[in-house]
Amino acid sequence: AQKVTQAQTEISVVEKEDVTLDCVYETRDTTYYLFWYKQPPSGELVFLIRRNSFDEQNEISGRYSWNFQKSTSSFNFTITASQVVDSAVYFCALSEPTGANNLFFGTGTRLTVIP
Amino acid sequence: KAGVTQTPRYLIKTRGQQVTLSCSPISGHRSVSWYQQTPGQGLQFLFEYFSETQRNKGNFPGRFSGRQFSNSRSEMNVSTLELGDSALYLCASSLDRAVYEQFFGPGTRLTVL
Repeated sequence: AQKVTQAQTEISVVEKEDVTLDCVYETRDTTYYLFWYKQPPSGELVFLIRRNSFDEQNEISGRYSWNFQKSTSSFNFTITASQVVDSAVYFCALSEPTGANNLFFGTGTRLTVIP
Repeated sequence: KAGVTQTPRYLIKTRGQQVTLSCSPISGHRSVSWYQQTPGQGLQFLFEYFSETQRNKGNFPGRFSGRQFSNSRSEMNVSTLELGDSALYLCASSLDRAVYEQFFGPGTRLTVL
């Protein structure tokens, strides 16, 4: 069965600090997709990244970077030089084996960036 | 390009009533998925519709149902509401399967009294 674990429930950092959000997943499948979403106080889930299981290249997008390691079943997310606007709940998610749109979400990490 | 829209944004109902929530996907998207978000259970998948057919279903009782119209708009219905149905209901649209990203709407906040 698919499972996503985000062990960090809440993290607080001071503005401009770097922060890494951890995500560990479980799946028996060789083909799957991993996602990160951001949920600001408004409630809408904002898509950040999708990564398929065959692509282990790390990705950088501005201040955001993702480290995907199949060996440890982890897909960690780092925000560099954090800003107050980064304050939100961040969710890691794993797709069903068939690639269907049934996403299994972790419990989320609430990030608070203190000015 | 307009995003995913959900109506209404807020609803207050009493136990035993039924409710219908609406979701309009991004133009061109044919898949619509519904999720329930609660503090206790987190984000849980309800069901997915693609080309007017339910393609996938989560582990929810039959009181939760949905449908999709020919224009890809979707509705979900909850009958005989229970207190535990109070939640944020999120709709997501995508072109097709998870090879494409899912875009979420702002959600409908349902409160059952």
